[in-house]
Amino acid sequence: ILNVEQSPQSLHVQEGDSTNFTCSFPSSNFYALHWYRWETAKSPEALFVMTLNGDEKKKGRISATLNTKEGYSYLYIKGSQPEDSATYLCAFRTSGTYKYIFGTGTRLKVLA
Amino acid sequence: GAVVSQHPSRVICKSGTSVKIECRSLDFQATTMFWYRQFPKQSLMLMATSNEGSKATYEQGVEKDKFLINHASLTLSTLTVTSAHPEDSSFYICSGRSGNTIYFGEGSWLTVV
Repeated sequence: ILNVEQSPQSLHVQEGDSTNFTCSFPSSNFYALHWYRWETAKSPEALFVMTLNGDEKKKGRISATLNTKEGYSYLYIKGSQPEDSATYLCAFRTSGTYKYIFGTGTRLKVLA
Repeated sequence: GAVVSQHPSRVICKSGTSVKIECRSLDFQATTMFWYRQFPKQSLMLMATSNEGSKATYEQGVEKDKFLINHASLTLSTLTVTSAHPEDSSFYICSGRSGNTIYFGEGSWLTVV
C-alpha cells in the first residue's frame, strides 16, 4: 500500500516567520509530486508540479524542493502572512498511472 | 488556471434516498475526471476514475452500484450516491485532468439523516 505522509499536521506561526513542512512518499515508481494550497470552502489550488530529483521551484514567497531518491519534498514559506493560512496538500503520482495519492495535509495558521 | 465547478456545496438527504453531485470543467475539456471522498482527519481517498464516454474504474472497496458515476461529456461528470445511509456522510470532491495537471472542484458536503 502506497502511503504519503505530511508533517506537521498543523502549525501556528506569527506573521513574518518563515516556516516549512514535509511530504514523505514512496521512492520507487516515482512520476511526479504535486503541492496544493487549500483554503476552506475553496478548490485546492495547484502550487507546484515537481518531477526531477533535485528540483527546486518558487512562486513568490513559497518554494519547494524534491528528493526522489529518499522520498521527500519540503515546502517553504518565507515571511508568512495571514493570507497564507490554509491547508497545504501534497500528492504523489506513480509512473504509468494518473492516480494521485494524497497526504493528510498540513494546516497552517498565520497569526497577525 | 482552469476552473472546475462542483455543486451542490452542501446537501442533506434522508436515509434511503439518492443524491447527485455534479462536476463541470468550465474552461477546459477533461478527458479524465476523478472522484474523491474525505473523512475527518483523513486524506483524500480516490473512489473512481472516469473517462469520457466509458465506464468508470472504481477503486477497491468502493461499491459501483452505490456510487454511480457518469461522464457523458468532456465537461461534465456526475456522482450519484444511491440509497444513501448515514455512513455515506462525508466530503466528496471531484477533479478534472488537463495534461499533467489536475484541477479540483470546491467539494460537496453530504449529510445523510
